[in-house]
Amino acid sequence: SQTIHQWPATLVQPVGSPLSLECTVEGTSNPNLYWYRQAAGRGLQLLFYSVGIGQISSEVPQNLSASRPQDRQFILSSKKLLLSDSGFYLCAWSYSTGRNTEAFFGQGTRLTVV
Amino acid sequence: AQSVTQLGSHVSVSEGALVLLRCNYSSSVPPYLFWYVQYPNQGLQLLLKYTSAATLVKGINGFEAEFKKSETSFHLTKPSAHMRDAAEYFCAVTGYGNNRLAFGKGNQVVVIP
Repeated sequence: SQTIHQWPATLVQPVGSPLSLECTVEGTSNPNLYWYRQAAGRGLQLLFYSVGIGQISSEVPQNLSASRPQDRQFILSSKKLLLSDSGFYLCAWSYSTGRNTEAFFGQGTRLTVV
Repeated sequence: AQSVTQLGSHVSVSEGALVLLRCNYSSSVPPYLFWYVQYPNQGLQLLLKYTSAATLVKGINGFEAEFKKSETSFHLTKPSAHMRDAAEYFCAVTGYGNNRLAFGKGNQVVVIP
């Protein structure tokens, strides 16, 4: 069966510090991968998605970047965090075989920038 | 492009009463529709999905939704609310050939004993 791991679960970082959130998927090959941010009352905002190694699409301009160094690894980064980067970050994956299936979500990371 | 609208960010329902959460979609291609549930500080869990088969879809935890093309709707219902149904619910849509889900803003459901 497929599983998705996302860590850490919670993180408190000072303004101006770097960020690295990691997500890995097991049990499937060549998944589509996604990073979402969730802010209270705003639903889920798609930040980045990837259809393959090194292929990253950014949905919104921001202070964050994403990388996919391996087929089932997706990393969200920032060189200098802003207060506005606080939120709940969710990694997700979906099949890439042409079927329009649902996305499968990790447990999320609560990021607080202080 | 696809989008969904969920009205009413907070929904209060009495225990044992009907749960009804509304979702209207917009899509230029035949849509695929989903309902997710999120418990506090957790990821999203799929409740049910519509993928162009039966228009009445049954999901987990006693929830069901009906796809109505004429109304561009995919409302979520449960006949009798339980305390454990208190959570946030999201409707989402994608279209054939699209890799991305578009989510609504969510409904926070409060169940009153």
